[in-house]
Amino acid sequence: GNSVTQMEGPVTLSEEAFLTINCTYTATGYPSLFWYVQYPGEGLQLLLKATKADDKGSNKGFEATYRKETTSFHLEKGSVQVSDSAVYFCALSDQADSSYKLIFGSGTRLLVRP
Amino acid sequence: GAGVSQSPSNKVTEKGKDVELRCDPISGHTALYWYRQSLGQGLEFLIYFQGNSAPDKSGLPSDRFSAERTGGSVSTLTIQRTQQEDSAVYLCASSFQGSRDTQYFGPGTRLTVL
Repeated sequence: GNSVTQMEGPVTLSEEAFLTINCTYTATGYPSLFWYVQYPGEGLQLLLKATKADDKGSNKGFEATYRKETTSFHLEKGSVQVSDSAVYFCALSDQADSSYKLIFGSGTRLLVRP
Repeated sequence: GAGVSQSPSNKVTEKGKDVELRCDPISGHTALYWYRQSLGQGLEFLIYFQGNSAPDKSGLPSDRFSAERTGGSVSTLTIQRTQQEDSAVYLCASSFQGSRDTQYFGPGTRLTVL
């Protein structure tokens, strides 16, 4: 079946540090890949997405590239800010599944210190 | 415009009681999803509606859980005879027919079963 594995947290960084959060997936069909973010006390927000191999999703300085050969979708940001502190979820939606339901990873908590 | 809304935001109930959780999707969104976020299980899919029908109920954990959607809009998730393991945040999401892989989430209902 389909699944998503992402790195354990928490990840603690200083402001302006480089961020990588690893995400790998297993899918039997043709997945779209997503990163969602959950800020403290708020709901899930879509951060970025990519729908096919080699696509790069980007938003708010975050980027992730859909790598079919390594079944990965790692999240990166060149310079994190305190306001980026949140929980980040990698997810997939199998385009062969007519429901388009999301399969989530376990989440990675990011804490950015001033 | 208005996003996905859920009510109540918090619900505390006693073991064995029934609870109803409500979701108002974004106007015009034909697809509606329920997910559950718990410490032990992470974020997991429960049920998918397209219009008023539910073609994918594969995530409902037991027959104590049911959901309905009326008028292609509001949805209610009902949990009968609640158990402590039902304690979680219940999230609702909706999506537009033309972009079903992009889901917009509500703030969730935090359910605590004592």
